[in-house]
Amino acid sequence: GQNIDQPTEMTATEGAIVQINCTYQTSGFNGLFWYQQHAGEAPTFLSYNVLDGLEEKGRFSSFLSRSKGYSYLLLKELQMKDSASYLCAVMDSNYQLIWGAGTKLIIKP
Amino acid sequence: ETGVTQTPRHLVMGMTNKKSLKCEQHLGHNAMYWYKQSAKKPLELMFVYSLEERVENNSVPSRFSPECPNSSHLFLHLHTLQPEDSALYLCASSQAIGTGNEKLFFGSGTQLSVL
Repeated sequence: GQNIDQPTEMTATEGAIVQINCTYQTSGFNGLFWYQQHAGEAPTFLSYNVLDGLEEKGRFSSFLSRSKGYSYLLLKELQMKDSASYLCAVMDSNYQLIWGAGTKLIIKP
Repeated sequence: ETGVTQTPRHLVMGMTNKKSLKCEQHLGHNAMYWYKQSAKKPLELMFVYSLEERVENNSVPSRFSPECPNSSHLFLHLHTLQPEDSALYLCASSQAIGTGNEKLFFGSGTQLSVL
């Protein structure tokens, strides 16, 4: 079966750095997405990786290793507004999106 | 503002009621989706429409009935629901399907409670 694993919940301190991991086993691979979802709001797109390596966008970076079936989302200089759930999703060989259950990130002052 | 609007935001219904969820996208996209989001579970894809034609139905019970009258509007008609159907129902749109890097734009969802 197809599976995406990510931690259920993480806690970090304002101003610090946090890394949210995502491992996957899917039938083929056509890219990996990260979305951010604040409580009661719509998920919003953060990043897309299809090649190995690190993609940086301001305070957020996303890394992919296809050989290891592994990605992480790195958040730097954490702010209180970064408290949200972070969803990892992989597009398989049939262009179907396989979703993880999300990681709830709690930022403490 | 994501460009995808869902109404209502909250809905409470009894098991014998009939109600409809509405979604509208203002992005000129060709594909629209219904997802179910339950606490601590992955998003579950329910239906996909491309250019107003249904291209996917993931074994969803017939008490959920989608309708896509045009590429900007999507409905989910609900009837004789069960308490386990209580969840957040999310609508999304994308430029197209089957291209690999299609980014989804989500609405804020309808929080449904079935009593």
